[in-house]
Amino acid sequence: GENVEQHPSTLSVQEGDSAVIKCTYSDSASNYFPWYKQELGKRPQLIIDIRSNVGEKKDQRIAVTLNKTAKHFSLHITETQPEDSAVYFCAASNSGAGSYQLTFGKGTKLSVIP
Amino acid sequence: NAGVTQTPKFQVLKTGQSMTLQCAQDMNHNSMYWYRQDPGMGLRLIYYSASEGTTDKGEVPNGYNVSRLNKREFSLRLESAAPSQTSVYFCASSALDRLIYGYTFGSGTRLTVV
Repeated sequence: GENVEQHPSTLSVQEGDSAVIKCTYSDSASNYFPWYKQELGKRPQLIIDIRSNVGEKKDQRIAVTLNKTAKHFSLHITETQPEDSAVYFCAASNSGAGSYQLTFGKGTKLSVIP
Repeated sequence: NAGVTQTPKFQVLKTGQSMTLQCAQDMNHNSMYWYRQDPGMGLRLIYYSASEGTTDKGEVPNGYNVSRLNKREFSLRLESAAPSQTSVYFCASSALDRLIYGYTFGSGTRLTVV
């Protein structure tokens, strides 16, 4: 089955700096890569996703890049703010199997220091 | 429009007791999932239901059973709870439409087995 590795497990940045979280996946058939943000005590919420036919996607301060050849994808957050502090999860899925099971990384705890 | 509703939010069980976690979605999604979240382990798939009438094991199914009662409802049962099942449980749903991949998560059930 799919295996998703996520690094780093913790990340501290100064407010205004950029943060980068990296993930690798094992199944070359995976074609959908979402990122979820989970605030303390809350449910995970989708913040951005990318499909395998796209190399980069941006949404305001958040961007995701995908390198299919190397089987890795990254989340980039620019101009970080204290409200960006949370745990971020990457995930991978092969939508061709008829269901959309997501395999998650173990998460990155991002702390933005004011 | 409530999205995905889980009950209960909190539960304490004694070892050997049984209980059922309930999940219902009102988004007309075909697929539903149960994940458990443990510190440092990310989200791990217990069982999923690709569509009404089908269920399949995920990564960590031992000690659990599920029922897809109808399109809206997907329950998770612990027949004989063990301390290793202390965790936060999330139900999620997704559309089967290939254009819509994202999961919607419920608010979670925090289960403690003593």
